[in-house]
Amino acid sequence: NAGVTQTPKFQVLKTGQSMTLQCAQDMNHNSMYWYRQDPGMGLRLIYYSASEGTTDKGEVPNGYNVSRLNKREFSLRLESAAPSQTSVYFCASSAIERSSYNEQFFGPGTRLTVL
Amino acid sequence: GNSVTQMEGPVTLSEEAFLTINCTYTATGYPSLFWYVQYPGEGLQLLLKATKADDKGSNKGFEATYRKETTSFHLEKGSVQVSDSAVYFCALIPLTGGGNKLTFGTGTQLKVEL
Repeated sequence: NAGVTQTPKFQVLKTGQSMTLQCAQDMNHNSMYWYRQDPGMGLRLIYYSASEGTTDKGEVPNGYNVSRLNKREFSLRLESAAPSQTSVYFCASSAIERSSYNEQFFGPGTRLTVL
Repeated sequence: GNSVTQMEGPVTLSEEAFLTINCTYTATGYPSLFWYVQYPGEGLQLLLKATKADDKGSNKGFEATYRKETTSFHLEKGSVQVSDSAVYFCALIPLTGGGNKLTFGTGTQLKVEL
């Protein structure tokens, strides 16, 4: 039982390049989330998926797209990377969307630098 | 809107010292409250939670009590260890209209020295 896995762990891009961050969970969770972590700002929600086939914007969605490929996988795509997207990206999952009682489980993160 | 305010760090303590990290929140109604911990180079882990007023969450010697009257959820530990060095995040999920989306504070870095 690996929990939430993310690839890659580190990535360096040039401005304008594109890339996809991969996330998978093996806990049969319905809901999945993408956050970014920046110094002094905590974690901010980029996009989330309440269930397979649905996605919604979070607090900071501009410059990103997501795909809920199936129940296990939720990817985050940067179409044209900008230096402002330099950050640490975390994927998370939880069992049920509309419940305040469910713990979110986090992956180890992807450290992205955009030059 | 919903927000969480934490004391700024870093907080530096000697081993066996008493720890308090302050957290206050703004939310409609009575949210569920959480403390997450992030060890160096890792993702976040749930440390403890409380889902209604006067609940006390506890885990690994850490405690936090949900105080509705002061809208606070301060994290405490009686005797910290070097292994407690990490970043601690206070967070909330609103009771209604928020789905399961967490709102985080900015995090407080704790350094424990021998």
